[in-house]
Amino acid sequence: TQLLEQSPQFLSIQEGENLTVYCNSSSVFSSLQWYRQEPGEGPVLLVTVVTGGEVKKLKRLTFQFGDARKDSSLHITAAQTGDTGLYLCAGLLSDSWGKLQFGAGTQVVVTP
Amino acid sequence: DTGVSQDPRHKITKRGQNVTFRCDPISEHNRLYWYRQTLGQGPEFLTYFQNEAQLEKSRLLSDRFSAERPKGSFSTLEIQRTEQGDSAMYLCASSFPRGRLSTGELFFGEGSRLTVL
Repeated sequence: TQLLEQSPQFLSIQEGENLTVYCNSSSVFSSLQWYRQEPGEGPVLLVTVVTGGEVKKLKRLTFQFGDARKDSSLHITAAQTGDTGLYLCAGLLSDSWGKLQFGAGTQVVVTP
Repeated sequence: DTGVSQDPRHKITKRGQNVTFRCDPISEHNRLYWYRQTLGQGPEFLTYFQNEAQLEKSRLLSDRFSAERPKGSFSTLEIQRTEQGDSAMYLCASSFPRGRLSTGELFFGEGSRLTVL
């Protein structure tokens, strides 16, 4: 059983559309991170959120950390083909010595 | 390039053979992690080191798996008597936590893909 549940598992949209990916848990995290992974490569860190209710923007990407620090969302505005990839959320439990718990990921495909 | 590097990138082996993967972390990072990722899943924690000390091992790490970080720099992950179920991407990551304020960001290598025939 995964500690972090991501939804949807797969998302296919056209260029210019918006999308939202969700990451939910019953556990409280001291921080939560989002990574993007491309085929055959390691995950690359996009953002870290720490404070409940925090919203961070990275160009067309908006990340939100839930008030209770149990969930997070990633919203992409006007998606581009370069946004295609596997989006992973990962949470840090307060007593975990830096060990991240990953969700299963959401595969996003943006078509021209 | 000063990122995390892993070698080899791809390894195909026959069941029962031993394989070893190497990871060179970012030089100033004192924590090093090994994760395993199978198709359609997120990375699963295997083990981690702080300097040369192995501080935690997952129950996923059977006695056929051993990891070392002898001088607190590079690390190796060895799998003995490989099984088809060991086929996966083995990811190494490093970090430089700043005490209790660490938020856990990991810097991953490109991974070593293992195929056991």
